Amino acid sequence: RKEVEQDPGPFNVPEGATVAFNCTYSNSASQSFFWYRQDCRKEPKLLMSVYSSGNEDGRFTAQLNRASQYISLLIRDSKLSDSATYLCVVNGVGGSYIPTFGRGTSLIVHP
Amino acid sequence: DGGITQSPKYLFRKEGQNVTLSCEQNLNHDAMYWYRQDPGQGLRLIYYSQIVNDFQKGDIAEGYSVSREKKESFPLTVTSAQKNPTAFYLCASRTFDGTEAFFGQGTRLTVV
Repeated sequence: RKEVEQDPGPFNVPEGATVAFNCTYSNSASQSFFWYRQDCRKEPKLLMSVYSSGNEDGRFTAQLNRASQYISLLIRDSKLSDSATYLCVVNGVGGSYIPTFGRGTSLIVHP
Repeated sequence: DGGITQSPKYLFRKEGQNVTLSCEQNLNHDAMYWYRQDPGQGLRLIYYSQIVNDFQKGDIAEGYSVSREKKESFPLTVTSAQKNPTAFYLCASRTFDGTEAFFGQGTRLTVV
């Protein structure tokens, strides 16, 4: 089982739709969680951190379910500019704290 | 402004040549990482370093080498032993307390 798994998609949605991505992780001792956005041929950029209490930033909501070992990202009122790949990142435990990436979920928002 | 700088942005290498990718950060971050990304794939860890003069192999270290002589710098050498080096290479850094990683703009390496 891979450490961090995501459905690669693509998720193809119309403008204004609500779309949700999930990401599962295998290490129950993982300590911190993030969603990054990556545009084509660009570096990943932090979208938001994910907390047990949930985290909302405008149209974006991220949640963590430690019991089931998954994190989610919800995008409301999708815009054309939301089209990108969304990477789930899990930080390891102990001294290494290596950021481990899922392969990403591709989102295409169409008019 | 603080950040991570990778250079060059595009690099072409002939087969059999070694090339070195530069990564410099002025964020005073302790840990630095090198990842490789192939089309349609996620990021795979090549090497990482948590302190100066120390580094560890990641999942796909074969054919690569690194050094960490200064806190700010973590260059990656792609050696001729790397059989399929064409990829997008990303350098990242972070503090040691579990916060997010910051990325350079990447180097796109092509073997010609």
